[in-house]
Amino acid sequence: GENVEQHPSTLSVQEGDSAVIKCTYSDSASNYFPWYKQELGKRPQLIIDIRSNVGEKKDQRIAVTLNKTAKHFSLHITETQPEDSAVYFCAASGGAAGNKLTFGGGTRVLVKP
Amino acid sequence: DGGITQSPKYLFRKEGQNVTLSCEQNLNHDAMYWYRQDPGQGLRLIYYSQIVNDFQKGDIAEGYSVSREKKESFPLTVTSAQKNPTAFYLCASSSGTGSYEQYFGPGTRLTVT
Repeated sequence: GENVEQHPSTLSVQEGDSAVIKCTYSDSASNYFPWYKQELGKRPQLIIDIRSNVGEKKDQRIAVTLNKTAKHFSLHITETQPEDSAVYFCAASGGAAGNKLTFGGGTRVLVKP
Repeated sequence: DGGITQSPKYLFRKEGQNVTLSCEQNLNHDAMYWYRQDPGQGLRLIYYSQIVNDFQKGDIAEGYSVSREKKESFPLTVTSAQKNPTAFYLCASSSGTGSYEQYFGPGTRLTVT
């Protein structure tokens, strides 16, 4: 089945700096890649997603890039703010697993004021 | 926050007891999912259902059971056969075929002593 690896597991940045989280996936047929943000004790919230027919997608301060050849995708957060502190999860689906999402292990992001 | 509700928010049980977690959605979504999240870890799929009266095992189905008698409801039973049931349980739904976006409920934190 699909396997998703996420790095780094923790990331500490200064407020205003950029943060980058990277994920790799194993199933070349996967075609949907969402990113979720989870605050402590809360539900994961979908913040951005990308499909395999697109190489990059941007929404205000967040962007996702996809490299299908290398089977990796990344989340970029620019001008980080303290409210960006949370755990971020990448996921992949659409290959042999159909609609099932396979999640990465998560990245704990801390934005220091 | 979507139309996905989970109850209760916190649940305490004694070892050896079965317990049922509720998940309801009013989004008219076809597909529903149950995930388990352990501290500092990602989400692992327990069971999923693409349509009423049908469901499939996920990656960690042992010790769990589900039913899908109504489109809006997907209860999860944690049985006494589950060796380490203490965890945060998240329910999600998606509109189904052709749409991969999953939206999560607020979660139930189960503690078994």
